[in-house]
Amino acid sequence: GDSVTQMEGPVTLSEEAFLTINCTYTATGYPSLFWYVQYPGEGLQLLLKATKADDKGSNKGFEATYRKETTSFHLEKGSVQVSDSAVYFCALSPSNTGKLIFGQGTTLQVKP
Amino acid sequence: GAGVSQSPSNKVTEKGKDVELRCDPISGHTALYWYRQRLGQGLEFLIYFQGNSAPDKSGLPSDRFSAERTGESVSTLTIQRTQQEDSAVYLCASSLGGLRSPNYGYTFGSGTRLTVV
Repeated sequence: GDSVTQMEGPVTLSEEAFLTINCTYTATGYPSLFWYVQYPGEGLQLLLKATKADDKGSNKGFEATYRKETTSFHLEKGSVQVSDSAVYFCALSPSNTGKLIFGQGTTLQVKP
Repeated sequence: GAGVSQSPSNKVTEKGKDVELRCDPISGHTALYWYRQRLGQGLEFLIYFQGNSAPDKSGLPSDRFSAERTGESVSTLTIQRTQQEDSAVYLCASSLGGLRSPNYGYTFGSGTRLTVV
């Protein structure tokens, strides 16, 4: 079945470091891909999305490119801040199913 | 309302009791979802509503779990004869409807933390 695999955390970085959180997926057809973020004490919120191959989603300095050839949607940020500390979830929506399938989540801790 | 509201925020119950969890979606959002998040794990899909009907209830783990939605608004997730493995955070989300609804983005509630003792 359709699934999402994320790199295991926690990921601990110093402020201004470069961030990559790996995400790969298994799906039939042409799913849409998403990153959601959960800040401490808050609900999940959409960070960015890409709905077709080679699309790049971006928001708040984060980027991810939909790579169909490698079935990946890695999250990147050039310079992280302490305020980026959160749990990040990669997710996919199989074509025309109306639902999201989430990865396990990756905890990011940024130290000053 | 301004966001997705879930109640209660915390629930402790004895094994074998029934519990009801409530979700108030954003007004006008016809799609509503329930997920479960066990400690240290990802989000597990339970059920999806489009309007008042549930086209996909494939994630409900057993017949002890049921959900309903009325008036294209409030939804209730009921767990009968609770077991310790039911302990988790139960999350509700809503979205504009249709089969492409995830592309509009889900809005999540803060969840109900259920502890079965």
